[in-house]
Amino acid sequence: EAGVAQSPRYKIIEKRQSVAFWCNPISGHATLYWYQQILGQGPKLLIQFQNNGVVDDSQLPKDRFSAERLKGVDSTLKIQPAKLEDSAVYLCASSLVGGAQETQYFGPGTRLLVL
Amino acid sequence: AQKITQTQPGMFVQEKEAVTLDCTYDTSDPSYGLFWYKQPSSGEMIFLIYQGSYDQQNATEGRYSLNFQKARKSANLVISASQLGDSAMYFCAMSPVGVGNTPLVFGKGTRLSVIA
Repeated sequence: EAGVAQSPRYKIIEKRQSVAFWCNPISGHATLYWYQQILGQGPKLLIQFQNNGVVDDSQLPKDRFSAERLKGVDSTLKIQPAKLEDSAVYLCASSLVGGAQETQYFGPGTRLLVL
Repeated sequence: AQKITQTQPGMFVQEKEAVTLDCTYDTSDPSYGLFWYKQPSSGEMIFLIYQGSYDQQNATEGRYSLNFQKARKSANLVISASQLGDSAMYFCAMSPVGVGNTPLVFGKGTRLSVIA
């Protein structure tokens, strides 16, 4: 069974530029999460989707971050314009239906460096 | 609000020895799940073990076991017979048990280094 796929793996941009990340969850997983992991910290949830609907985006900086999950499968996370403090690893995870006892499976992450 | 505390920024262990990584948590939820993940230098988070708050027995998965002490709000990870490949960051995380919003709340992690 294929795992969670993410691309690109690495991205370097200058501040005020825009960037987009892509995630393909495990086949059949209804719930998709985007986490931000700043160096030296644990991941922090940005947004959670259940199928193509948003369950929680309370910690998403909506003035610059946006995310969508069209057709309830793939998802994209966009940052526009990027700031220096957005330098982090962006992790995508998926789970079957989103129950708390379910394991969340993570992709390899996208490492973003904003100069 | 939920909070995870991992007080050990770094740990060293000799190969083939056992090591305990500490995790304490704080929550007002009556039911919750506790997870441990491993993050090697490649970056992906690898699921290791899960403990439900109402589980009577401590969880075990191969060389990993979870020492769950509910009254003390601790969920320490024990790795037996350490291997060089165990060198990585280890994160403790929790989520509430319920329907709907179930994101994981992570601690800051512990970097484990296994010495030959």
